[in-house]
Order: sequence, then structure tokens, then C-alpha cells
Amino acid sequence: AQSVTQLGSHVSVSEGALVLLRCNYSSSVPPYLFWYVQYPNQGLQLLLKYTTGATLVKGINGFEAEFKKSETSFHLTKPSAHMSDAAEYFCAVTLGFQKLVFGTGTRLLVSP
Amino acid sequence: KAGVTQTPRYLIKTRGQQVTLSCSPISGHRSVSWYQQTPGQGLQFLFEYFSETQRNKGNFPGRFSGRQFSNSRSEMNVSTLELGDSALYLCASSNRTGGSEQYFGPGTRLTVT
Repeated sequence: AQSVTQLGSHVSVSEGALVLLRCNYSSSVPPYLFWYVQYPNQGLQLLLKYTTGATLVKGINGFEAEFKKSETSFHLTKPSAHMSDAAEYFCAVTLGFQKLVFGTGTRLLVSP
Repeated sequence: KAGVTQTPRYLIKTRGQQVTLSCSPISGHRSVSWYQQTPGQGLQFLFEYFSETQRNKGNFPGRFSGRQFSNSRSEMNVSTLELGDSALYLCASSNRTGGSEQYFGPGTRLTVT
């Protein structure tokens, strides 16, 4: 069965600093991978997705992620953090026709 | 297009009662999935409905059930509520079955006292 591991339940950065949120997946076949963001008292919003094709995926709000098969990783990055990026981020994996499996989430804290 | 809507947004129930939550997907989407989110267990998949049929089911007791109507709206029911059922219940819709791109509603916050 597929699974995802998000390293670090909390990540703190300063405004303007690089954001790096880590996600490693486990899957026996090439998976579909997603990053979602959740703001307080809201549902999840899709940031970006990888299905097939280009391994560097660009999403909304300046975020991007790179699918690295050799490392089984799909880390989320943003060159310069903004205060409004403070939220919880979830990585998710699926094999396409099966349910989405979510990681445990990483809370991003941005300090001025 | 209007997004996924969930009603009610907040609910307080007593142990032993039952509750029904409602979800209206994005127009044209035929798949609706339900998730339970708690601080301790994170996001857990409950079930998915596509064209009124349950396609996938998570590892929850039979007290948790759902259904989907012909207009793709879905309801989730929890009977004999327990304190541990307190959670944010999220609904997500998609135009395909399975784990394709999903769009989430704001959730229903259920508190069981």
C-alpha cells in the first residue's frame, strides 16, 4: 500500500527565507502526488500536483515541488516566505484509482 | 463555479445521539469523498461515493455510513456518537473516482459532549 512521510511536524522560517517542506512516499508503482494547504478553520486547498510528465511542478502562491523517483521524494519549496504562508501543509499520494493517502502534516510558522 | 459546500459548519451533539452531515460537490463532479480530521489521527479517509455507489471505504466502524443522491450531493451519518467522534469532517469532490485531484469543502466541526 502507498504511504507518505512528512519530516518535521513544525517548520519555522523568517519572512523572506527559503521554505522547504519534506515529503517522502512509498509506492510500488509511479504514484500521483499532491500538496495541499490548510488555513485555520478551513478545508484543504490544492497547491500543486504531479501525475506524469515534467518532474518539476509549479503551483499556486509561488510554491513548487520536484518529483524525484530515485529518492522517492516530493519536497515542497518556495524561494521567499511570506507571512501569509503560515498554515499547515499536507502531502498526499495515490495510485490513481485508489483513495488519497495523506501525510501527518507540517505546520509552517513564519516570523517577521 | 461554486465550491464544495458543507452544512452545518458547526455542530454540538451528546454521546449516544446520531448526526447527519451534508455535502454538495462542485457542479459536474460525481465523486464525493469524506475524511475525518483530528489532532491525534490526522486526516483519515472514511469513504468515497461515485455515481451513487460506494467505491472505497476506510477503516471505520459501521456506525459511520454515507450515501450519495442522484444530484451527487452526499450525506454522512454517524450513529451512537462517542466522545472520540469529535472532529472536523471534510468532504471533497472530484470529477473522477479514486484519488484524483480533489477539491475540499470548509468542513463540519462536530463536538460530542
